[in-house]
Amino acid sequence: GQQLNQSPQSMFIQEGEDVSMNCTSSSIFNTWLWYKQEPGEGPVLLIALYKAGELTSNGRLTAQFGITRKDSFLNISASIPSDVGIYFCAGQVRGAQKLVFGQGTRLTINP
Amino acid sequence: NAGVTQTPKFRILKIGQSMTLQCTQDMNHNYMYWYRQDPGMGLKLIYYSVGAGITDKGEVPNGYNVSRSTTEDFPLRLELAAPSQTSVYFCASSSPRDRGYTGELFFGEGSRLTVL
Repeated sequence: GQQLNQSPQSMFIQEGEDVSMNCTSSSIFNTWLWYKQEPGEGPVLLIALYKAGELTSNGRLTAQFGITRKDSFLNISASIPSDVGIYFCAGQVRGAQKLVFGQGTRLTINP
Repeated sequence: NAGVTQTPKFRILKIGQSMTLQCTQDMNHNYMYWYRQDPGMGLKLIYYSVGAGITDKGEVPNGYNVSRSTTEDFPLRLELAAPSQTSVYFCASSSPRDRGYTGELFFGEGSRLTVL
């Protein structure tokens, strides 16, 4: 089946640093989404991408839909303590009626 | 806005017991999903439904059953609980943007199940 490989699996950074994470697949996806999960909560949507090459921002977060449709990137600028959590990428093939999720990137920030 | 509501939030079961995890959404979404999340892992799809009366298996359906009699409710049933079903269960819903796209999933807060 389709799989998404998300990297890195975990990150330990200093407050104020920029963060980059990515998601790759051997299959083509038509939609890419990025979610954040905080402890004890369900994932919350951060950014949705619908066109190859699309670059979308949400505050300090920027995500891109790769030109090949097989990857996506999420960047967080000037990290702050509340950015701590697990970030998931998700992709959908048109007509599939469901999302495929990556394994997640756990972000830890040292103040 | 309540969104997606799951009950119970926590439950401990003995091996072989049965239980139902409840999920209801008030957004009039057609699509609903059940995922499980094991410690340190991502989300695995158990079952999903694209509308009342329609359900389909996901990646890990064994040991579970679902029903969808109304648009709002999508309960998940465990018939004979096993330790391997210890996990956090998330219900989600979405409204398709158009034919072929699920739309963005909205998740509940999760139900933490322990089977001893």
